[in-house]
Amino acid sequence: KNEVEQSPQNLTAQEGEFITINCSYSVGISALHWLQQHPGGGIVSLFMLSSGKKKHGRLIATINIQEKHSSLHITASHPRDSAVYICASRTGNQFYFGTGTSLTVIP
Amino acid sequence: DTEVTQTPKHLVMGMTNKKSLKCEQHMGHRAMYWYKQKAKKPPELMFVYSYEKLSINESVPSRFSPECPNSSLLNLHLHALQPEDSALYLCASSQVGRGRGYEQYFGPGTRLTVT
Repeated sequence: KNEVEQSPQNLTAQEGEFITINCSYSVGISALHWLQQHPGGGIVSLFMLSSGKKKHGRLIATINIQEKHSSLHITASHPRDSAVYICASRTGNQFYFGTGTSLTVIP
Repeated sequence: DTEVTQTPKHLVMGMTNKKSLKCEQHMGHRAMYWYKQKAKKPPELMFVYSYEKLSINESVPSRFSPECPNSSLLNLHLHALQPEDSALYLCASSQVGRGRGYEQYFGPGTRLTVT
């Protein structure tokens, strides 16, 4: 089983701040996913990474395969970014989820 | 169409009831998943169907019975549930493949309350 750890568990930021959420996993994977879950439940897939870096708008995700570590960065954070961010490692069709980071961005 | 739909959105049922949750996707995905999520916890995998065959059952009690009648539909039949089964039930789908894996698309979930 792949152990997936996220930090921090909770994060409060002022609007405009640069935010980093970290994820570590214990064994080799096919891909690493970053997910966003808003209150009410719906989960949106933000990124799927197997190497390097991806950028989408104000969101950037990086992964270091050798160190088994990934980061999600949010630039110029906004209150609408408030959500739970979950990283999940994937091997084949098996997903292992981190415990999530609850982000609150204050205006 | 990149949407996974789930019905109903909310369900309240007694411990002696029989009900079903439904999930549908039209993205041509051949892997479909059921997850259970308790408050402030990450999703827990329950079942995976690959090419309409059950490929993973994470030791889920038999009061939960999955069914995949075709490549677009996934059902979860519920019978004799317990109050601790109250949770958000999420469906997801993805392509099937080895190696680098594929992105999962999640439905909005069914909020289940067992009384």
